[in-house]
Amino acid sequence: EPEVTQTPSHQVTQMGQEVILRCVPISNHLYFYWYRQILGQKVEFLVSFYNNEISEKSEIFDDQFSVERPDGSNFTLKIRSTKLEDSAMYFCASIMVQNTDTQYFGPGTRLTVL
Amino acid sequence: AQSVSQHNHHVILSEAASLELGCNYSYGGTVNLFWYVQYPGQHLQLLLKYFSGDPLVKGIKGFEAEFIKSKFSFNLRKPSVQWSDTAEYFCAVNAWGAGSYQLTFGKGTKLSVIP
Repeated sequence: EPEVTQTPSHQVTQMGQEVILRCVPISNHLYFYWYRQILGQKVEFLVSFYNNEISEKSEIFDDQFSVERPDGSNFTLKIRSTKLEDSAMYFCASIMVQNTDTQYFGPGTRLTVL
Repeated sequence: AQSVSQHNHHVILSEAASLELGCNYSYGGTVNLFWYVQYPGQHLQLLLKYFSGDPLVKGIKGFEAEFIKSKFSFNLRKPSVQWSDTAEYFCAVNAWGAGSYQLTFGKGTKLSVIP
């Protein structure tokens, strides 16, 4: 069964550094998402992406965040200058059709900002 | 904006006990509803979903959920839990009737099943 994959599984960085989290969505999916889960809290939506554009974003997704689909397979989340409060589990998800299908989640990247 | 409430933070059951986890959402329009499970050290996996039709939906591993529109609820049930059901369970809603396709999650319910 096809899966969403994410790399790295764990990223440790210093405050103020840039990080790029990578995701490979399921190959025939068209819509891509990033969510995050701060330890002990609920999963929160960050951004959705379709046709090389952001289609929705939450209040969390400020100017420090950006997303890109640099080639036909990868979907990346960049945090320009990390803060301590960015420490969380970041999940990528993908879906074929938005309102009649299920989002498939990757295993997540645990980001630790020191 | 839509929101999801899960009433129980941590549920502890003995094997063979029955399970019901509560989930309520706040949105009056058309929604899709989901239960995801996260086993220890693993990623979110879909247990079951409701899009339309029969409000009683069956998922994997013997789980089922009932959508009660008048109560804005989508409670998860299992008649007899097993130790392997120990996990965290998340209810999620997609209020696509509002033109939004993001998933809004509840805070999750941690289920511990004692052998």
